[in-house]
Amino acid sequence: AQSVAQPEDQVNVAEGNPLTVKCTYSVSGNPYLFWYVQYPNRGLQFLLKYITGDNLVKGSYGFEAEFNKSQTSFHLKKPSALVSDSALYFCAVRDIGDSSYKLIFGSGTRLLVRP
Amino acid sequence: DAGITQSPRYKITETGRQVTLMCHQTWSHSYMFWYRQDLGHGLRLIYYSAAADITDKGEVPDGYVVSRSKTENFPLTLESATRSQTSVYFCASTRSGGPNEQFFGPGTRLTVL
Repeated sequence: AQSVAQPEDQVNVAEGNPLTVKCTYSVSGNPYLFWYVQYPNRGLQFLLKYITGDNLVKGSYGFEAEFNKSQTSFHLKKPSALVSDSALYFCAVRDIGDSSYKLIFGSGTRLLVRP
Repeated sequence: DAGITQSPRYKITETGRQVTLMCHQTWSHSYMFWYRQDLGHGLRLIYYSAAADITDKGEVPDGYVVSRSKTENFPLTLESATRSQTSVYFCASTRSGGPNEQFFGPGTRLTVL
């Protein structure tokens, strides 16, 4: 069965500092991996995805994510956090062999960037 | 280009009533999904659809019914609402044929009294 774990309910970081939001996954085959962001009272917005190839994926708003197959992780990173990055972040996985296009989501991590 | 819309955005109903949440997308995406978002659970899949007239259960389908007579619409019905169905509901869609991301609607906040 597919699953996603986001071990931190909340991450606190000071503006200007680097940030990391952790995600680990489990799939039977090879994964497609996604990060989404949710601002208050809004739907989820796509940030970036890993398909294959380069383990470092760059996405919107300066975010990037590092895929690590041996650790089954896909951590979201940003070199310098902004207060406006404060939001709820979701990691999601889809097994490449799953033709249903379903995503399995983690429970979410709230990022709080303090001025 | 409206993308994906949901209506109503907010709904308050009473236990036992039937409620229908609407979802409409303008991209002609093949796949559509309904999720519920609850604190501590992230997003859980209720139902999904691969095309018009093709639907299947997700992780938490009990108490819900879906239909998809047209590609662009995917309504979700709570046949007899219960308090445990108080949640925020999101509709999403994606095109077929690769590692495509899902696009989400703005959500419907449903309260069952």
